[in-house]
Amino acid sequence: AQTVTQSQPEMSVQEAETVTLSCTYDTSESNYYLFWYKQPPSRQMILVIRQEAYKQQNATENRFSVNFQKAAKSFSLKISDSQLGDTAMYFCAFMKTGANAGNNRKLIWGLGTSLAVNP
Amino acid sequence: KAGVTQTPRYLIKTRGQQVTLSCSPISGHRSVSWYQQTPGQGLQFLFEYFSETQRNKGNFPGRFSGRQFSNSRSEMNVSTLELGDSALYLCASSLGQGANTEAFFGQGTRLTVV
Repeated sequence: AQTVTQSQPEMSVQEAETVTLSCTYDTSESNYYLFWYKQPPSRQMILVIRQEAYKQQNATENRFSVNFQKAAKSFSLKISDSQLGDTAMYFCAFMKTGANAGNNRKLIWGLGTSLAVNP
Repeated sequence: KAGVTQTPRYLIKTRGQQVTLSCSPISGHRSVSWYQQTPGQGLQFLFEYFSETQRNKGNFPGRFSGRQFSNSRSEMNVSTLELGDSALYLCASSLGQGANTEAFFGQGTRLTVV
């Protein structure tokens, strides 16, 4: 079974600075996706960034980038130039894909990191 | 393009009652997944429906059930409510096939069982 671990329940950062959120996962699968989702106080889960396991290049989306270390099963999120609107819960999630996964679209989640961006 | 709509947003029920939650996916999306979010357990997968068929199921008791209609709208039902069923229930909509894995979430239904 797959597990996702986020070891930092809470973090804070000053506006305009950089912060890194950690995520490790455990799987015996070779084909999968990893995701970072953001859940602001409005409760709506929003996709921040996605990484395909077969891609060596780390994904980036504007101020958000990941450090994907497949052998170490590590998937950290770096937020640059932090903004007040980045204050939210951040969840790391795993999804199995490929022929063995069939139509399995189940997301397996970490417990989240609460990020506060301070002015 | 309208997003994922979940109704109602808030619900208070008594132990032993039953409840039905609704999710309207993004137009064109055929997959609807349901997740339960609690402070202690985090987010847990309940089930996924695709083209009116349950395609995947999580480890929840039979009191939790769902269905999907021909217009892809989905409902989940919880019977004989327990205090532990208090949670935020999130619905996710996606194309459900091919390489596109992105799931779009609704704002959830906050269920409180008293």
